[in-house]
Amino acid sequence: EVPLVESGGVVVQPGGSLRLSCAASGFTFDDYTMHWVRQAPGKGLEWVSLISWDGGNTFYADSVKGRFTISRDNSKNSLYLQLNSLRTEDTALYYCAKDVNREDTAMVFDYWGQGTLVTVSS
Amino acid sequence: EIVMTQSPATLSVSPGERATLSCRASQSVSSNLAWYQQTPGQAPRLLIYGASTRATGIPARFSGSGSGTEFTLTISSLQAEDFAVYYCQQYNNWPPGTFGQGTKVEVK
Repeated sequence: EVPLVESGGVVVQPGGSLRLSCAASGFTFDDYTMHWVRQAPGKGLEWVSLISWDGGNTFYADSVKGRFTISRDNSKNSLYLQLNSLRTEDTALYYCAKDVNREDTAMVFDYWGQGTLVTVSS
Repeated sequence: EIVMTQSPATLSVSPGERATLSCRASQSVSSNLAWYQQTPGQAPRLLIYGASTRATGIPARFSGSGSGTEFTLTISSLQAEDFAVYYCQQYNNWPPGTFGQGTKVEVK
């Protein structure tokens, strides 16, 4: 089993900010690219961002580019997502997910957390 | 951005019957196609990657096929726990790794 536990989801006003965290265990965290994937209520899945195993490369969906920042602390086996300038359309369950490949990025997600809910509302 | 289209949106199947789900890409994704299962209130679970390789622990009743732009997920004999939403995802051209809109498999 590969527990991934997200936290940090709250209700926030449009324009606000928050930081999500994901605590990982059960695997060698610093060997794997990690991702954030979100799911709006009743909707499908949308990939948000990735960070390579060493933190050297990051990518973002166009919908969040310039507003969200992904980071990781390999000494703490933790993944983060800083969300700024939030919009109502950012309301979603945010999952952290592990990439299937070691020291590579496949963009295939073999383990997922249970998600943390971000609600953007006035 | 590659657009993934799944059909049908809802599939009504009786337990024990076969289910066939389709996924089409707007351009070729080679065999870089994954399938995920999501049951209500749960996180998605990886079923298939490389279009046809079952992920660890996935039962043999799940099989994937196809390449290029046309893909199929087949569940040979539906069990109670298989009624769920299924998503395909291409990872040939990323970012982003785009998902289809999902197919809901429901009890007939």
